[in-house]
Amino acid sequence: DAKTTQPTSMDCAEGRAANLPCNHSTISGNEYVYWYRQIHSQGPQYIIHGLKNNETNEMASLIITEDRKSSTLILPHATLRDTAVYYCIAPKATGNQFYFGTGTSLTVIP
Amino acid sequence: GAVVSQHPSRVICKSGTSVKIECRSLDFQATTMFWYRQFPKQSLMLMATSNEGSKATYEQGVEKDKFLINHASLTLSTLTVTSAHPEDSSFYICSATRDHEQFFGPGTRLTVL
Repeated sequence: DAKTTQPTSMDCAEGRAANLPCNHSTISGNEYVYWYRQIHSQGPQYIIHGLKNNETNEMASLIITEDRKSSTLILPHATLRDTAVYYCIAPKATGNQFYFGTGTSLTVIP
Repeated sequence: GAVVSQHPSRVICKSGTSVKIECRSLDFQATTMFWYRQFPKQSLMLMATSNEGSKATYEQGVEKDKFLINHASLTLSTLTVTSAHPEDSSFYICSATRDHEQFFGPGTRLTVL
């Protein structure tokens, strides 16, 4: 799997967009980028994933650079309930094992 | 979305006893499940890959004789922590794969006294 690098922590004002970056410069052409989040003492929750194209769902948008070496998760209107640790993962196409990095601890401020 | 459950959610046991944790995919069949461990203020660490009908594949440094994994059906994988010790106290999380997505269980908090 490709190594991912994320900032350790970020703050975001409630109601504003939260933009969480992730570097995955060693990603292979067939490896997806997944985003999960974990609220304290719960299992990780799936947010979104993508390969090349930008993706959007009811939770978030995923912007992947053209060279695929980095991506940004966008929470369009952050709420207090979005406070969590956000993980960016790029597993190998075969096996699909997830090796979690340290993630980004997002704090949404009232 | 797909639902994965774990049982029990919390368990306290004495040192030297064994503890079994169940992971079930409730609305889909999963040929592959994964087991993770998470210590306080740390990230999730992959312990093993559980494949239905075959032996689990353990990550480097994880003792297969201490953490017994059985994946006897397409909806159930179990993790048994044998001869548990206080250092095995942790948050154990399973996940099941469907269509390249991993769906995580709510986790099991193990405390070994």
